[in-house]
Amino acid sequence: DQQVKQNSPSLSVQEGRISILNCDYTNSMFDYFLWYKKYPAEGPTFLISISSIKDKNEDGRFTVFLNKSAKHLSLHIVPSQPGDSAVYFCTTGTASKLTFGTGTRLQVTL
Amino acid sequence: ETGVTQTPRHLVMGMTNKKSLKCEQHLGHNAMYWYKQSAKKPLELMFVYSLEERVENNSVPSRFSPECPNSSHLFLHLHTLQPEDSALYLCASSQVKGGGTEAFFGQGTRLTVV
Repeated sequence: DQQVKQNSPSLSVQEGRISILNCDYTNSMFDYFLWYKKYPAEGPTFLISISSIKDKNEDGRFTVFLNKSAKHLSLHIVPSQPGDSAVYFCTTGTASKLTFGTGTRLQVTL
Repeated sequence: ETGVTQTPRHLVMGMTNKKSLKCEQHLGHNAMYWYKQSAKKPLELMFVYSLEERVENNSVPSRFSPECPNSSHLFLHLHTLQPEDSALYLCASSQVKGGGTEAFFGQGTRLTVV
């Protein structure tokens, strides 16, 4: 039973356009959410996070939105760049445990 | 060195071999984790050590045996593995505190069991 779901396994976006990656979760007790980015044969790297007391957090080209009533969060990347091509994981959990989604592979095309 | 370092990066072992994966973190964190990533599956949490005590073992077969001698080092001892254990094994560390936590990952060990 997956507590974190990323329903789109892949996404292709043209360079300069907006990339929107989505994530749904089941447990309303989750209060901290993170996005990780992963290149092939490397470990995930932390990208951006959001606490449940906020509904938006922005860091440069990356913005995460949280809709607690819908148990949904999304990552917006604008403008998308070829170097953004990677697998993006949505995670959440308690202080000592992270639960990952299956990931969405983003391909930014020229 | 900085961050989380895993060795070896690649490992091929037979089903009767015994090997160990090593992880070292230089971030001063108090929690370390082992994750497994198999093809087309979510990252699976295997073990959690917090303050050098194992606080979680997610129904991992006994052929995987973790060891955390101190807060900076974590090992995963492997013996009599199966081909389906072939995967990318990732180590991570974090500072456990109230509220959220951000984990830092190593680059992983690509394990192939033949």
